[in-house]
Parts: sequence; structure tokens; C-alpha cells
Amino acid sequence: AQKITQTQPGMFVQEKEAVTLDCTYDTSDQSYGLFWYKQPSSGEMIFLIYQGSYDEQNATEGRYSLNFQKARKSANLVISASQLGDSAMYFCAMRDLLPYNNNDMRFGAGTRLTVKP
Amino acid sequence: EAQVTQNPRYLITVTGKKLTVTCSQNMNHEYMSWYRQDPGLGLRQIYYSMNVEVTDKGDVPEGYKVSRKEKRNFPLILESPSPNQTSLYFCASSLSGGLLYNEQFFGPGTRLTVL
Repeated sequence: AQKITQTQPGMFVQEKEAVTLDCTYDTSDQSYGLFWYKQPSSGEMIFLIYQGSYDEQNATEGRYSLNFQKARKSANLVISASQLGDSAMYFCAMRDLLPYNNNDMRFGAGTRLTVKP
Repeated sequence: EAQVTQNPRYLITVTGKKLTVTCSQNMNHEYMSWYRQDPGLGLRQIYYSMNVEVTDKGDVPEGYKVSRKEKRNFPLILESPSPNQTSLYFCASSLSGGLLYNEQFFGPGTRLTVL
């Protein structure tokens, strides 16, 4: 079964610095997608970035980038130039992309990021 | 506006009183899903639906029922709620369940308390 591990329950970062949130996954599938979501204190789930298992380049979306190391099964989120508004819970998730497999989406336990002024 | 809506947003109920949390999306998405979020556990999938009349169990389906009679609606039913079902519930939808990447859109969440 797929499993997502986020080993950092909480992280602190100084405003304007970069921070890396760790995510490792376990799957025997070859075709899968990796996602990062942000959950601010208001509770909604905000999609940040996506990486496909066959994508050769690391995904980037503005200040967010995904450090994808397929052999190590890691998909770390890098936030550059942290802002106070980045303080939130961050979830890593994975989903099998093959239609004949279960298409359930697995989430990690999350990392609470606090940006200090 | 493209969105996933859930109702109610907040609900306090008592053990054993049947309840339904509605979920509706206006994006013509085929795939819909329900999750519960508990501290330290992240989001866990309860049920998902690949299309109308097609539903399947996720990780934690016990105590829940779903139906998918129309493409846009995917209600979550708790026939006999218990205190361990106190949680934050999210409905989500995406264009399709697999093959191609497609973003999953989440509803605003329903905070349920079962006394």
C-alpha cells in the first residue's frame, strides 16, 4: 500500500529565508503523481504544486519548487523567500495515475510551518 | 465560479442520530472523494467515486455510506454517528480519477462533532 511520510511535525523559518519541507513516499507503482497542499488556519485546502513520476524536470510554481528524487522516493517542497502568509499546515500527497488501479489519494500527516518576522 | 460546496459547514449532533453531509461540484468532474482530517493523521480517504453509480472504499470507510446518483452530487451519510467520527470532513473533486494529472479541488470542509 502507498504510504506518505512527513517527518517534520513543525518547522520554523525566518521571513525571507528559504525552507524545505520533507516528504518521502512508498509505492511499487511506476505511474503516480505527487501533490503538495497548503492549509491555512482558515481550514481550506489550497493546491500548490504537482510532480508526475515521469516528469524529468522538477516542478516549479512561483516561489514553490518540488525537489523530486525518484530513486530516493522523496518529493520535498521548497519555499523560497518565505512570507508571513506562508504560515500554515502543509500536506504532501500521492495518487496512482493508472486508471485500472485504485485512484485513492494518500496524504502525509502534515508539517506545520511558522514564519517568524 | 468553479467550486465544491459542502453543507453544513458545522454540525454538532448526538450519537446515533443519522446525518447527511452534502457535497456538490459545478465543474462536471467525474471523480469525487470524501476525506476526514484528524490531528497527527493528515487526511484519510473515506470513499471515492470514479463516476456516476461507481463508488469504492478508501482507507477508512467503516461507519460511512455514500451514493453517486448524479455527477455533481456526492453525499456522505452517517447512519449512526459515534463520537469517534468527530472530525473535519472534506469533499473533493477532479476531472477524472487517473491516467492524466488533474488537480483535485477541495470543498471548504465540514466540522462535525458527535456527542
